[in-house]
Amino acid sequence: GENVEQHPSTLSVQEGDSAVIKCTYSDSASNYFPWYKQELGKRPQLIIDIRSNVGEKKDQRIAVTLNKTAKHFSLHITETQPEDSAVYFCAADPQGGSEKLVFGKGTKLTVNP
Amino acid sequence: KAGVTQTPRYLIKTRGQQVTLSCSPISGHRSVSWYQQTPGQGLQFLFEYFSETQRNKGNFPGRFSGRQFSNSRSEMNVSTLELGDSALYLCASSSARDTGELFFGEGSRLTVL
Repeated sequence: GENVEQHPSTLSVQEGDSAVIKCTYSDSASNYFPWYKQELGKRPQLIIDIRSNVGEKKDQRIAVTLNKTAKHFSLHITETQPEDSAVYFCAADPQGGSEKLVFGKGTKLTVNP
Repeated sequence: KAGVTQTPRYLIKTRGQQVTLSCSPISGHRSVSWYQQTPGQGLQFLFEYFSETQRNKGNFPGRFSGRQFSNSRSEMNVSTLELGDSALYLCASSSARDTGELFFGEGSRLTVL
């Protein structure tokens, strides 16, 4: 089955710096890759996703890149702010839909003011 | 539109007992998935229901079971509780297989003593 590895497990940056979180997946059939943000004590929420027919997607300060050949995808956050502090989860869907996501173990991002 | 509602939010059980958790999806959403969240393992997929049918199942023992009702509400049951079952159980709903986004509830935090 699908296996998703996420690195690093913790990441600390200064406000205004960029943050990059990387994930690899094992199942070449996976074609949907979302990223979820979970603030302390709150529910995970989708922040951006990408499908296998595109290589990059941007939404303001957040971008995701996908390399299907290497089976890895990354989340890039620019101009980080303290409110970006949270746990970020990457995921892959080997069936092409959204009902059986395999998640990475998460990255705890801390943005220091 | 009301979000995904999970009850109870917190509960404490002792080993050997059983527990039932409930999830009400967003109105109109027919797919409900359940995830177990623990600090070391991240989000692990339990099962997914669509139109009252279990469509996918994760690698959990048979003590974990679920069902979905005709109004799309879902329940999960854990029998013969073990200490290791202590976790946050998250329910997520989505509107259709190819929509992409999962909408999570706030979770039910189970503590097994």
